Amino acid sequence: TQLLEQSPQFLSIQEGENLTVYCNSSSVFSSLQWYRQEPGEGPVLLVTVVTGGEVKKLKRLTFQFGDARKDSSLHITAAQPGDTGLYLCAGDKTGANNLFFGTGTRLTVIP
Amino acid sequence: GAVVSQHPSWVICKSGTSVKIECRSLDFQATTMFWYRQFPKQSLMLMATSNEGSKATYEQGVEKDKFLINHASLTLSTLTVTSAHPEDSSFYICSARGTGAWGGANVLTFGAGSRLTVL
Repeated sequence: TQLLEQSPQFLSIQEGENLTVYCNSSSVFSSLQWYRQEPGEGPVLLVTVVTGGEVKKLKRLTFQFGDARKDSSLHITAAQPGDTGLYLCAGDKTGANNLFFGTGTRLTVIP
Repeated sequence: GAVVSQHPSWVICKSGTSVKIECRSLDFQATTMFWYRQFPKQSLMLMATSNEGSKATYEQGVEKDKFLINHASLTLSTLTVTSAHPEDSSFYICSARGTGAWGGANVLTFGAGSRLTVL
């Protein structure tokens, strides 16, 4: 059982389209991170959100942390083939040493 | 920023042999290192947490006698897959959390992963 459920699990879209990936939990996290992982490589940190309701923008990527710090979303505007990869959310809980990873969303952007 | 080096990046071995994977923090002291296993198209599954100088803490269902973890120094942790079998074939990833010029206590840096194929 994973604490963080991501949806959708798979997403295939055309270049230029917008998309949103959701990361949901019934648990509260002190912070939440988003990673992107390409085949054969380790996850690369995209952003960390800490405050409930926080919104962070990274070029075409917009990250939001839920008010209750139980969920998060990643919105990509005008997706490009280079955005293709496995997107993972991961939550940090106070008192826990490790991160709790979401189930993952595999995004494919078709040129 | 913080860098974690994982070696080898891929390894092929015969069934019954043991394989060691190294995870090094290059520019910070990793007080804690984590080992994950990842099956194709799936998320990361935490196998164990290792703290420098103490025994690793294994997640439920992970055989500690099969997956030996050693964290002998603040910059090195090793995972040894003993008597490997084809079902152990997987992508193994380490991450490190620590302090230093680049690493803060809440910074988690990942290695590039090691793909193990057991024939």
